[in-house]
Amino acid sequence: GENVEQHPSTLSVQEGDSAVIKCTYSDSASNYFPWYKQELGKGPQLIIDIRSNVGEKKDQRIAVTLNKTAKHFSLHITETQPEDSAVYFCALYYGGSQGNLIFGKGTKLSVKP
Amino acid sequence: DAGVTQSPTHLIKTRGQQVTLRCSPKSGHDTVSWYQQALGQGPQFIFQYYEEEERQRGNFPDRFSGHQFPNYSSELNVNALLLGDSALYLCASSLQGSYGYTFGSGTRLTVV
Repeated sequence: GENVEQHPSTLSVQEGDSAVIKCTYSDSASNYFPWYKQELGKGPQLIIDIRSNVGEKKDQRIAVTLNKTAKHFSLHITETQPEDSAVYFCALYYGGSQGNLIFGKGTKLSVKP
Repeated sequence: DAGVTQSPTHLIKTRGQQVTLRCSPKSGHDTVSWYQQALGQGPQFIFQYYEEEERQRGNFPDRFSGHQFPNYSSELNVNALLLGDSALYLCASSLQGSYGYTFGSGTRLTVV
């Protein structure tokens, strides 16, 4: 089946710096790539997503880039704030019309004030 | 508009017992997917229900079973619990044909 590799597993930045998380995958048929943020004691919350016909998408301080040829996509967070501290998961939709989400193992982001 | 509701929030069971977890989907959603999230790991797909039928299943044994009711709510049942079943169980709802998954806060199952 499909597998999603996510790096790094932990990331520590100073407040105001940028953070980048990268994921790679193998199934070229995947065409939907969401990113989720999970805070302690909560379920994953969608923060941004991108479809295969788009190379980049931005939403305020968050952006996602997709390189379908190289089969990787990345999350970029600029001007990080302490409240950005959480675990971030990349995912992709796999399996066609009756598919499901496949998740990476997560990146624990710590933003130091 | 209520999101996805899961119950109970926490549960402690003994090895060999059976457990039932419940999920109410977001209003307007008709598809329910269940995920298992072990500590420090990403969610792993268990199965998905649509029109009261299991449509797709991940790599989980038959001890894991489910059900979807006419009102789209769903149950996850796990028989003969093992210590390794201890995890956060997440329910996600979506509308058939769309990519938008909404997750609940999960049920934390501890098997002792």
